[in-house]
Amino acid sequence: KAGVTQTPRYLIKTRGQQVTLSCSPISGHRSVSWYQQTPGQGLQFLFEYFSETQRNKGNFPGRFSGRQFSNSRSEMNVSTLELGDSALYLCASSLQRGPGETQYFGPGTRLLVL
Amino acid sequence: AQKITQTQPGMFVQEKEAVTLDCTYDTSDQSYGLFWYKQPSSGEMIFLIYQGSYDEQNATEGRYSLNFQKARKSANLVISASQLGDSAMYFCAMREGVNSGGSNYKLTFGKGTLLTVNP
Repeated sequence: KAGVTQTPRYLIKTRGQQVTLSCSPISGHRSVSWYQQTPGQGLQFLFEYFSETQRNKGNFPGRFSGRQFSNSRSEMNVSTLELGDSALYLCASSLQRGPGETQYFGPGTRLLVL
Repeated sequence: AQKITQTQPGMFVQEKEAVTLDCTYDTSDQSYGLFWYKQPSSGEMIFLIYQGSYDEQNATEGRYSLNFQKARKSANLVISASQLGDSAMYFCAMREGVNSGGSNYKLTFGKGTLLTVNP
């Protein structure tokens, strides 16, 4: 079974631009979560989607948004990029069958903002 | 206050020896889950092991075991017979409110421990 895939793997943007990252979950998984990883702040939760609905949101500005499609694929968008948005963005999916449900992560998208 | 604390920024271990990576957590929930992930330099987070707050036995998965001490709020990862391929960052994470109808899938991560296995 294919794992979580994320595209693109690497991205270079300039300040003020916007970017869209894509995540395809493991087949059958309906929950998709996004995390930002930086050397300074570590891993931080961005948001989680289930059946096209955002259920949880982390403490990030409104420039960060996301959505989920009917096939469970998810996208996140960052508008008006800032230098501090340079990070590894990780997507995770889960089946959501029970309390111990594990989140499986993709390889991440490395975003560099110049 | 930090919800997940990993006090060891870096650890060294000789190949074939066992190593313990520390993790303490802070929560007022009665139902929660604790996870350990491994992150090689490639960046992908690899799930290792899970422990539920109501699990009476310590979790084990192959060479990985979790030393769960609920009263002390610690969930240390033990890796037995270390291998060179174990060199990576290791993250402890917590999911709170696991019985809240399955609506909370947010993981809170610690800062991580960089493990280096020496030949």
